[in-house]
Amino acid sequence: AQSVTQLDSHVSVSEGTPVLLRCNYSSSYSPSLFWYVQHPNKGLQLLLKYTSAATLVKGINGFEAEFKKSETSFHLTKPSAHMSDAAEYFCVVSDKGFAGGTSYGKLTFGQGTILTVHP
Amino acid sequence: GAGVSQTPSNKVTEKGKYVELRCDPISGHTALYWYRQSLGQGPEFLIYFQGTGAADDSGLPNDRFFAVRPEGSVSTLKIQRTERGDSAVYLCASSQGTDTQYFGPGTRLTVL
Repeated sequence: AQSVTQLDSHVSVSEGTPVLLRCNYSSSYSPSLFWYVQHPNKGLQLLLKYTSAATLVKGINGFEAEFKKSETSFHLTKPSAHMSDAAEYFCVVSDKGFAGGTSYGKLTFGQGTILTVHP
Repeated sequence: GAGVSQTPSNKVTEKGKYVELRCDPISGHTALYWYRQSLGQGPEFLIYFQGTGAADDSGLPNDRFFAVRPEGSVSTLKIQRTERGDSAVYLCASSQGTDTQYFGPGTRLTVL
């Protein structure tokens, strides 16, 4: 069974400083990994995804993540935080299932990391 | 283009009542998923539809929960005899095959 552990439930940074949100995963085979962001009272938005191509993945709004198989990690980073980055972030692993004659992705979410950005 | 929409955005009901939550996926997406997000938790998988059929319903917590997608587009999640523990945000997502899942804004269900 696959699982995701987000190592910090809350991260607080100052505007303009780097952001690091940590994620470790467990999967029995080569996984697809995602980071989603959820702003208050808004839907989940995809930031970036890894699907076995380049290990360094660039996403929207200046975020990027590096897939490290040896460490089973997929940490999310951003060089300089903006106030608008304040939100909850979810690390997600996709288990490829096969049912109904097709393959599909069954997402397993981490517990979430709430990012606070101070002026 | 239009994203995934869900109605109602908020639903307050009393313990023991029946509720229906609606999801309208992105046009042309054949795959549709329901997830449940309890307070302080990440979303958890409930059910997956490919077309009209529920191909994987392993995440439904018990037989009070049921979902349909009769024409392969709009889906309805139905909860019978609601309990206070059913209070959560119910999220719908759609995708084309195994591609990225796009989520709706969710329905916040409160059972009093």
